[in-house]
Amino acid sequence: DGGITQSPKYLFRKEGQNVTLSCEQNLNHDAMYWYRQDPGQGLRLIYYSQIVNDFQKGDIAEGYSVSREKKESFPLTVTSAQKNPTAFYLCASRAARGQLYEQYFGPGTRLTVT
Amino acid sequence: AQKVTQAQTEISVVEKEDVTLDCVYETRDTTYYLFWYKQPPSGELVFLIRRNSFDEQNEISGRYSWNFQKSTSSFNFTITASQVVDSAVYFCALSEVGYSTLTFGKGTMLLVSP
Repeated sequence: DGGITQSPKYLFRKEGQNVTLSCEQNLNHDAMYWYRQDPGQGLRLIYYSQIVNDFQKGDIAEGYSVSREKKESFPLTVTSAQKNPTAFYLCASRAARGQLYEQYFGPGTRLTVT
Repeated sequence: AQKVTQAQTEISVVEKEDVTLDCVYETRDTTYYLFWYKQPPSGELVFLIRRNSFDEQNEISGRYSWNFQKSTSSFNFTITASQVVDSAVYFCALSEVGYSTLTFGKGTMLLVSP
């Protein structure tokens, strides 16, 4: 089945460690996105990529890094510089062609840093 | 700048009641898209509807209906005869044409009790 996979679903790390969240899609979508969601908050955009080997910062990029070496993969690294990394992280993708602007989401990764 | 406001933080209803979720948006563009997403307890966002700014026809899909009014910059979502399975957080979002990103509201948590 086509879709977006994020692994793992739950992730625990010690403070001061970098951690990489995986996002893979087999929808042949060009654009991919990372969002952060905190309790009672909407989704805030961290980074997005519209094409391989290119990405742009979103509203809250500080303390995060990404890469887009393959069309189907857009991993997010939460670095030790991120002050409050505990959150729910959602990956999304979108077909860049045509007038379809909706994004499709993965199941999310819940990161807990102690 | 774009902005989406969902003033209702949480709504509680009893099964079979009708419920309307409000969404008010701000944009400088005349051409834009509006979206509704559902986030069940599992966490994954599910796309419900996309509406472009030139189409003000109301949309009905089963028990779901959407009322788009440009005059009041609103895109409200009504669930008729609510069911327990409708319990979720619902997000309204906006995208201006030519931009790859979505601006989300903070979401409305709907609790439907039996």
